[in-house]
Formats: sequence, C-alpha cells, structure tokens
Amino acid sequence: ELKVEQNPLFLSMQEGKNYTIYCNYSTTSDRLYWYRQDPGKSLESLFVLLSNGAVKQEGRLMASLDTKARLSTLHITAAVHDLSATYFCAVDLGGAQKLVFGQGTRLTINP
Amino acid sequence: EAGVAQSPRYKIIEKRQSVAFWCNPISGHATLYWYQQILGQGPKLLIQFQNNGVVDDSQLPKDRFSAERLKGVDSTLKIQPAKLEDSAVYLCASSWRGYGTQYFGPGTRLLVL
Repeated sequence: ELKVEQNPLFLSMQEGKNYTIYCNYSTTSDRLYWYRQDPGKSLESLFVLLSNGAVKQEGRLMASLDTKARLSTLHITAAVHDLSATYFCAVDLGGAQKLVFGQGTRLTINP
Repeated sequence: EAGVAQSPRYKIIEKRQSVAFWCNPISGHATLYWYQQILGQGPKLLIQFQNNGVVDDSQLPKDRFSAERLKGVDSTLKIQPAKLEDSAVYLCASSWRGYGTQYFGPGTRLLVL
C-alpha cells in the first residue's frame, strides 16, 4: 500500500523567511502533484512533476522530485502572507491517475 | 472555461438518512473522480470513472455508497444509510482522459448528526 508522508504537518513562519516542505512516499512512482487548499475552499493545482529530477517554479514556490529517494520538496522563498494555506502532495499510484494524498502541511505566515 | 461544478455545497442530515451529491466535470474531460476529505486529512479517492465506466472503486464502501455516471458526463454519489463517520467534504475532480492534472470542484460539505 502506498503511503505518502508530509513533513512538517504544521509550519508557522515569518514573512521574508525561506522554508521547505518535504513529501516522502513508499513505493515507486514518477508522477507527483502539489496542490494548495485555502480554508473552506477546494484544491488548486500548483505543480505537476513528471520525471526524476523535475523542477518547477512559480513565483516564490519551487517544487522538485527525486524518484530514487522517493522524495519531493516544496520550497518557499521569502514567504509572504498570501502563501498561508494547506499544501498537499499527491503521488500517482502506478501511473493510473489514482492519486494518494499526503496529510497536508498547514502553513501560516505571520507579518 | 467553466470549472467542475458540484451541488449542493452544504448538507446536514441525521444518521441513517440518505443523501446524494451531484457533479458536472469540465467539458471534454473523460475521467471523473470522487474523493472524501475528512477534516484535517488529505482527500481519499472513492471512485474513478472513465467515460461511464468504473476504473477503480476499491475504496468505496459499497454497502452504503454508490455512484453512477450514466451518460459519461454528470455523476451522482449517494450514501444510504449515512453514518456519523461519513461527515466530510466530498470532492469531485475531472481530468482529460485520465492524464495530467486533476481539477477539483468546490466540494459538498456533509454533516451527519
């Protein structure tokens, strides 16, 4: 059974700081997604990582994938309050678009 | 481009009652998914359709949950009878032919009393 674990689960940080969210998964997969969820809202797609070594960047967020280590990271650079949300990684089980989600990382960015 | 539509947005029922949720995917998306998101957790896939056929329903509690997508477009998820532990947000998502990004609807928040 595929397990997806995010670390940390809760993160409180100050504006302007850098931090990284980690996503580990237990079985082979070369397709990983990052989503953002605001309170009471649905999930918004951030990144799709489709191969080993893939790196995607959008604004202050950068995601990477290491399929050999079964690890993805979401790096936040110079955080701003608007990035406060819960971030989920999701791993595609067997390439069949059957996504298994992590528990989510609740990020709070304080002024 | 219109997104994934869901209704109702909120539903409160008593245990042992039945409830149904409706989803209309993005136009042209052949693959439709239903997820259950319990408070504080990530979404869990309940069922995946490709057109009007079921691809995966291994995590659907079939003794009480059912879903259909009769014409390959809209879908309905039903719970009968509901239990307290069914309280959750039910998310519908769609993707083009099962590849690439899944796009999520706003969800239906269910509270079972």
